[in-house]
Order: sequence, then structure tokens, then C-alpha cells
Amino acid sequence: GQQVMQIPQYQHVQEGEDFTTYCNSSTTLSNIQWYKQRPGGHPVFLIQLVKSGEVKKQKRLTFQFGEAKKNSSLHITATQTTDVGTYFCAGGGIQGAQKLVFGQGTRLTINP
Amino acid sequence: NAGVMQNPRHLVRRRGQEARLRCSPMKGHSHVYWYRQLPEEGLKFMVYLQKENIIDESGMPKERFSAEFPKEGPSILRIQQVVRGDSAAYFCASSPAGAGNTIYFGEGSWLTVV
Repeated sequence: GQQVMQIPQYQHVQEGEDFTTYCNSSTTLSNIQWYKQRPGGHPVFLIQLVKSGEVKKQKRLTFQFGEAKKNSSLHITATQTTDVGTYFCAGGGIQGAQKLVFGQGTRLTINP
Repeated sequence: NAGVMQNPRHLVRRRGQEARLRCSPMKGHSHVYWYRQLPEEGLKFMVYLQKENIIDESGMPKERFSAEFPKEGPSILRIQQVVRGDSAAYFCASSPAGAGNTIYFGEGSWLTVV
């Protein structure tokens, strides 16, 4: 069954509002990665988090990895229309496996 | 440095035909992953391969689907006797090594079964 849960499934915001998506794993992760997929496009790597409690920023995007390495979040400040797309988290090292297990994704739409 | 190359980008097959999807990993990458994405859904892991070896095929359907990554040439995902439910985007990704490494996706192959 699904081992990486991501919420919400959909989020619609007004341009300029903030946005957050949350990712939870049933087991401890060795790392977590975030990807963005534009409509009709392919997943593009954004960032990888490895350390417990790690926080990384990319301009308006802030990524966090929980202390227990079971959850993560992506926060976008002051959304812009270019942020539209689906954001996926992907957990690595679940039960020792080498593959990445993806969450269901959060689809972000923005009202300009 | 060329990215992950997939072809064909779009493929139309009639029910019962075979579909072959190819993936050339990024230069220097020896690990290949295949994911399937149904419309409006997430990425579902299918198979993970290294050169000449299948490492994890836990996401592959038991029948009609097979994958290989030969010593020379691209990785191939083969779907025999396609059915309408096989219509999806198939993404290949590669990494320089396995666990803990970032994977980079190709632009995908969109399979439509009519």
C-alpha cells in the first residue's frame, strides 16, 4: 500500500497567497526529495533533504525535514502564476529499498 | 550533458499490439527507474534496473510487462498485448547510484491504446 502520504491533494490560491504541502511517511526515511511537475510536463527535481530537522530555502520556497525523518513540508511564500503545477515528495530508503516512493502529489492552481 | 532521453514521446497502439519504450540515462548514470503516471494521478514505481540486472521489479504487473537494461544500448520497457488501461505516461529516470541519490526524469513517453 501507499507508504508516503501527501496532503492536500488540491490547493487553489489567489496569486500572492502562501501555499504549503505536507508529506508523511509511515516509516523513517533516509532522505526526502521534492519534485515539481508542470501540466503536461515531467517531474523536475527541486531539492533533497537528508538530515533530521533540516531546513533549506530556494528563493520563495522553504523545505523542511522533520526531526523523526518521517515528515516533510514545502512552503511557498507569495505564490506567483509560475508556481502552478503538481508538487511531489518522494521518500528514499523506505524499508531499505533503493527506489523512491512518491506521494500522490499536491496540485496547485493559482488565480491571478 | 544531455538529460535522460526517452522515445518515442508519443505512441499510439491498438489493443493487442506491443509497445516498446526506450530510455537512455544521463551520461555517467548506471541506474534506471521506470514510473507510470495515469491521468491526474501520481507516479507509481514500476521497476529499477542497473546494467544487465533487475534490482527491484515490485511495481511491475505480473503479466505482459517486462523491462531490460542491456550492457549496450538503452533501457527498454516492453508492454505486450496492450489494453486500454495501459494508456498512461511512462517516465524513465536515472541516477549515478541507487539509494539516497537524486533521480532525474526524462520527458516521458505517452502511450495511448485505441
